[in-house]
Amino acid sequence: GQQVMQIPQYQHVQEGEDFTTYCNSSTTLSNIQWYKQRPGGHPVFLIQLVKSGEVKKQKRLTFQFGEAKKNSSLHITATQTTDVGTYFCAGERGSARQLTFGSGTQLTVLP
Amino acid sequence: DVKVTQSSRYLVKRTGEKVFLECVQDMDHENMFWYRQDPGLGLRLIYFSYDVKMKEKGDIPEGYSVSREKKERFSLILESASTNQTSMYLCASGGAVSGTQYFGPGTRLTVL
Repeated sequence: GQQVMQIPQYQHVQEGEDFTTYCNSSTTLSNIQWYKQRPGGHPVFLIQLVKSGEVKKQKRLTFQFGEAKKNSSLHITATQTTDVGTYFCAGERGSARQLTFGSGTQLTVLP
Repeated sequence: DVKVTQSSRYLVKRTGEKVFLECVQDMDHENMFWYRQDPGLGLRLIYFSYDVKMKEKGDIPEGYSVSREKKERFSLILESASTNQTSMYLCASGGAVSGTQYFGPGTRLTVL
């Protein structure tokens, strides 16, 4: 079945440093979604990428979808303490739009 | 705003008990999902439903069943709880068009 690998599992950065998490799928994806889960919270949708090579930005967050539609990345510029949480990528599959989630990257931002 | 609610935030049960976790969404979404979340494993899909009375197995359905009698409600049932089912359970709903999933607050289940 479809597998989505995500690295790193943990990342500690100083406030102001950049952060990147990477996602790789074993199969070609129709689209990829990114979610953020704050400590003690539930996953919240951030963005969806659909097109090969697509790049989208949300303020300090930059999302990329690979040319082969098998990998993706999330880059945060100049991290802030509000960026703390776990970031998940998720590949879509199936008629009910099921998602296969990566294992997540837990980001800690040190003030 | 989409709202997905789950019946309990915390639940403690004993081995062998039957456990019901309920989820209700208010956005008229066709699709509903149950996941469990464990450290280092991300979210794993247990069951999903794309219509009333329809259900499909996800990646880890063993030991679980589901019920969807009404469009807005999706229940997860542990027929005989075991300690390895101690976990965070997350319900989500999503529309057939957008694919975005909206999650409930989660139920942290402990089986003793």
